[in-house]
Amino acid sequence: EAGVAQSPRYKIIEKRQSVAFWCNPISGHATLYWYQQILGQGPKLLIQFQNNGVVDDSQLPKDRFSAERLKGVDSTLKIQPAKLEDSAVYLCASSPDPGQRGRGYTFGSGTRLTVV
Amino acid sequence: AQTVTQSQPEMSVQEAETVTLSCTYDTSESDYYLFWYKQPPSRQMILVIRQEAYKQQNATENRFSVNFQKAAKSFSLKISDSQLGDAAMYFCAFNSGNTPLVFGKGTRLSVIA
Repeated sequence: EAGVAQSPRYKIIEKRQSVAFWCNPISGHATLYWYQQILGQGPKLLIQFQNNGVVDDSQLPKDRFSAERLKGVDSTLKIQPAKLEDSAVYLCASSPDPGQRGRGYTFGSGTRLTVV
Repeated sequence: AQTVTQSQPEMSVQEAETVTLSCTYDTSESDYYLFWYKQPPSRQMILVIRQEAYKQQNATENRFSVNFQKAAKSFSLKISDSQLGDAAMYFCAFNSGNTPLVFGKGTRLSVIA
């Protein structure tokens, strides 16, 4: 099966600019996750979707971050305006169903964002 | 809230030798899952091994095995016959119920030829 696709792979922007990341999960996977991984740390969940509904966005800085999952498939994560501390790798992951949590998630290769 | 702690920021091992990476976690749940993920420079997180908390038998996957101590809330990863391709960041992770994966800070493993 095809993996989780993410784009772009790298992005460099100036602070206060906006940026968007795209994710296409594995076909048929109902649940989609966005994680932020700051250099030297483990990934931290930003938002979880079940189909096209938000399950958990408690860690999402809603004043500048937004995310959507149209038609329960692709998802976009947006930052506007970006801050220096947003420099990180943004990982997208998908899983078949929360009830199958023991199977783990499939991750994409991430987008490395550098804010200067 | 669940937490995962990896106390070894960096480890190194000689090629063909064995290395053990440590992980402890904290939870009040009784039904949960534990994972070890590998993250090479390509950044993609790759599932190495998983363990169901209700299973007493330790999971094994070829050269990778775990030592799961439920009472001590410990979940270490043993890599036998280490290979150059094993060099990467290793993350311990936990989830339960409908709670998404929670990761530790990671251990950087170097393999010396």
